[in-house]
Amino acid sequence: AQTVTQSQPEMSVQEAETVTLSCTYDTSESNYYLFWYKQPPSRQMILVIRQEAYKQQNATENRFSVNFQKAAKSFSLKISDSQLGDTAMYFCAQGPYGGSQGNLIFGKGTKLSVKP
Amino acid sequence: DAGITQSPRHKVTETGTPVTLRCHQTENHRYMYWYRQDPGHGLRLIHYSYGVKDTDKGEVSDGYSVSRSKTEDFLLTLESATSSQTSVYFCASRLDPYNSPLHFGNGTRLTVT
Repeated sequence: AQTVTQSQPEMSVQEAETVTLSCTYDTSESNYYLFWYKQPPSRQMILVIRQEAYKQQNATENRFSVNFQKAAKSFSLKISDSQLGDTAMYFCAQGPYGGSQGNLIFGKGTKLSVKP
Repeated sequence: DAGITQSPRHKVTETGTPVTLRCHQTENHRYMYWYRQDPGHGLRLIHYSYGVKDTDKGEVSDGYSVSRSKTEDFLLTLESATSSQTSVYFCASRLDPYNSPLHFGNGTRLTVT
């Protein structure tokens, strides 16, 4: 069975500093995708970044980057120069490439608080 | 986003009553999903659809049914609401099961009293 584990229920960081959120997963698929979603207090689910498992290069989107370690099945999210607007729940998700379902498996989330 | 609208945004209902939540998307996405979000559980899949009239169960499907008569609409029905179904419900859609991300609606907060 596919699983996604986020071991940090809550984290906090000072504004302008860097924080890393952890995510590990388990899958028997050889090709798959990984995603980080952000959920601010507005409840909206926002895609932050995605990583194709077959790519060795880590994905980057502005201040957000990932450290993808395929052998260790680890997919951490680094937020640089943290801003107050980064305060949110962050969910890691994993899904196979293709298949009839197309579902993503989500972790339980990490609540990030950015302090001024 | 992908133009996904959920209705209602909030609902309070009594135990034992039927409830239908609606999801409408304007992106012609083939795949649609219903998740529930509960503290400490993240998002869990209730049902999904991979085409018109093609649906299947997810991880937590007991007590729920779905229907998809048109590409753009995906309905979630609680046949007889229970307090354990108090939750936030998210609809999502996806173009394909490859590298396209899930696009989410804004959620429905359902309270069963």
